[in-house]
Amino acid sequence: EAGVTQSPTHLIKTRGQQVTLRCSPISGHTSVYWYQQALGLGLQFLLWYDEGEERNRGNFPPRFSGRQFPNYSSELNVNALELEDSALYLCASSYLAGGGADTQYFGPGTRLTVL
Amino acid sequence: SQKIEQNSEALNIQEGKTATLTCNYTNYSPAYLQWYRQDPGRGPVFLLLIRENEKEKRKERLKVTFDTTLKQSLFHITASQPADSATYLCALSKTGRRALTFGSGTRLQVQP
Repeated sequence: EAGVTQSPTHLIKTRGQQVTLRCSPISGHTSVYWYQQALGLGLQFLLWYDEGEERNRGNFPPRFSGRQFPNYSSELNVNALELEDSALYLCASSYLAGGGADTQYFGPGTRLTVL
Repeated sequence: SQKIEQNSEALNIQEGKTATLTCNYTNYSPAYLQWYRQDPGRGPVFLLLIRENEKEKRKERLKVTFDTTLKQSLFHITASQPADSATYLCALSKTGRRALTFGSGTRLQVQP
């Protein structure tokens, strides 16, 4: 079974630019989560999509946005990049049947560097 | 505000010993607590999940305890191996709120 995939692996941008990161969940998983992990810090929750809808959002400015497609893949868009946006962006997917705990399976991440 | 604390200092132990990592939390009443392993530059890998009404969970060489009174979870790796060297993250979540809140992780180094 293929795991969560993310593209690109690495990205270098300059301040003020815009970036789009992509994620394909595990087959059968309907939820996609995005997390930001700045160097030396823990994972910070960004966005959660389920069945094509944004379900929850973390404490990030509106220039962080995304969407989920009918095939459950997802994009994360970051506008007006700032230096502090440099981080590893992780995508995770899950399938929660009838409530209960939600184990999330992570992709390898996209390393974004903003110069 | 809710806070999850993991020992930020690296834990260095000898091969064959038991590693014990701690996760403490405040201002939070999680329904579930999960442990993940993360290698440098990689995404976290799920290890174990324990529910609030469970005291202990085991999987092979791994054991997790969950004390909701102390607001603490302990994560044990018995017979540790150099391949166990990684950063271990604890993550909490509530029922119906599916985003995970992660601690900053503890780096484990197992010396051969």
